[in-house]
Amino acid sequence: GAVVSQHPSWVICKSGTSVKIECRSLDFQATTMFWYRQFPKQSLMLMATSNEGSKATYEQGVEKDKFLINHASLTLSTLTVTSAHPEDSSFYICSARREHTGGKSPLHFGNGTRLTVT
Amino acid sequence: AQRVTQPEKLLSVFKGAPVELKCNYSYSGSPELFWYVQYSRQRLQLLLRHISRESIKGFTADLNKGETSFHLKKPFAQEEDSAMYYCALMDSSYKLIFGSGTRLLVRP
Repeated sequence: GAVVSQHPSWVICKSGTSVKIECRSLDFQATTMFWYRQFPKQSLMLMATSNEGSKATYEQGVEKDKFLINHASLTLSTLTVTSAHPEDSSFYICSARREHTGGKSPLHFGNGTRLTVT
Repeated sequence: AQRVTQPEKLLSVFKGAPVELKCNYSYSGSPELFWYVQYSRQRLQLLLRHISRESIKGFTADLNKGETSFHLKKPFAQEEDSAMYYCALMDSSYKLIFGSGTRLLVRP
């Protein structure tokens, strides 16, 4: 099955520093990847859509200058949390869409990255 | 507005009992709906999609456009079914809109 790898699984950083999270589709090419955020005991909220070779599309209320997304290749998207603050502490999950025949293809999810900002 | 509603945060049943996890949606177009499951300490994974009309691990879900529902059902719950279940709707731009999730706890 389709595999999406996310790295790192967890990271602790100091307030004011930047953190980069990688999302890779291991056995398929993904023109579109999505970044979600999940607070404890809450559902996944879409942050942005990452498009290979073009600018990401951000959801309302998500600061594009704070959450930098780069989709440099068909198998890699990165999310950089810049000048992190404790309120950015959360679980970040990426997903990738694999082309599929018959309806819209389901998304495949990475394992998530738990970010703790101290 | 596009919305997915899972009214139950927690559903607790005994092993062997039937299970129904409720999901209602609001979408102006023709929806494509999914159920995702997240077992403890594991990634979110696709359980089933309405277009496939398949049964995975004994679970089924039927799209009812009249009631705008996509409830997940299983006739006999197993302990290993204990997990977090998310209903999700995919819009025309392939964005997934998730419900708030229901934790299923199957007691022995």
